[in-house]
Amino acid sequence: QQQVKQSPQSLIVQKGGIPIINCAYENTAFDYFPWYQQFPGKGPALLIAIRPDVSEKKEGRFTISFNKSAKQFSLHIMDSQPGDSATYFCAASMDTGGGNKLTFGTGTQLKVEL
Amino acid sequence: DAGVIQSPRHEVTEMGQEVTLRCKPISGHDYLFWYRQTMMRGLELLIYFNNNVPIDDSGMPEDRFSAKMPNASFSTLKIQPSEPRDSAVYFCASSLGIYRGFNQPQHFGDGTRLSIL
Repeated sequence: QQQVKQSPQSLIVQKGGIPIINCAYENTAFDYFPWYQQFPGKGPALLIAIRPDVSEKKEGRFTISFNKSAKQFSLHIMDSQPGDSATYFCAASMDTGGGNKLTFGTGTQLKVEL
Repeated sequence: DAGVIQSPRHEVTEMGQEVTLRCKPISGHDYLFWYRQTMMRGLELLIYFNNNVPIDDSGMPEDRFSAKMPNASFSTLKIQPSEPRDSAVYFCASSLGIYRGFNQPQHFGDGTRLSIL
C-alpha cells in the first residue's frame, strides 16, 4: 500500500515533443506528490510538486496533472529539449507529524533527441 | 549556500571491510535522510532523523547497517561488515520537513558510489 508505481521505465522523444510520465498510488493518506529530476552523477532535485486539492499545476514547461479519484498523477514536459534528458522520479508522502517521508517511484529515463 | 555535502564520492573496498559514509546537511535543516539507489530496487529510504534523533529506520536492510547523527551538522552511515550486494549509490538528503503547513523539498547530495569487491 506504500508503493508508487511509475511508467514507462524509459522514454525517447524528439525535440519539441511532449513526454508524459505516469504514476499511480494506493494509499489515500498520501497528501503531497513531488517530481524529482536526476542527472547522471548527481542527486535528485525537486522539479515540481502538487497537493491533492488541485487537479493541475504548471511551472514553466512542466505540468503535473492529478486525478484524485483514480489515484493517478502524471508529469508533462512541454516543448521538450535535449537538456531535459534525465531520470524522473515521482514520489508521494503523508504528514507523519512534521516529517516528509517520501516513497519514490522506480524512475523513468527520458531521452530527448534532436 | 552550500548544498548537502557527502564524502567520499567514490569508495571501493573489499568484502568484509567496514565502510563509513559521511554527510553534512544544509545548515538549519532539521530532517536528514539516507537513501540507497540501485538499478534493481530504485531509490530506497534507509533511515531518517529529526533534530538528530532517528525517527524511522525500517528501511535499514540488516544489522550490518547503522546510522548516527551526533550533531545537527553531521551524520554517518556505516556498513560493517560490507558485502558485494551493498554496492550502490548512497544519497543523503536534508529538509525543513513541513514548515508552516507546506511540505519543504528534500535537498540531495551528489551521493557516494560504493563498490564492494
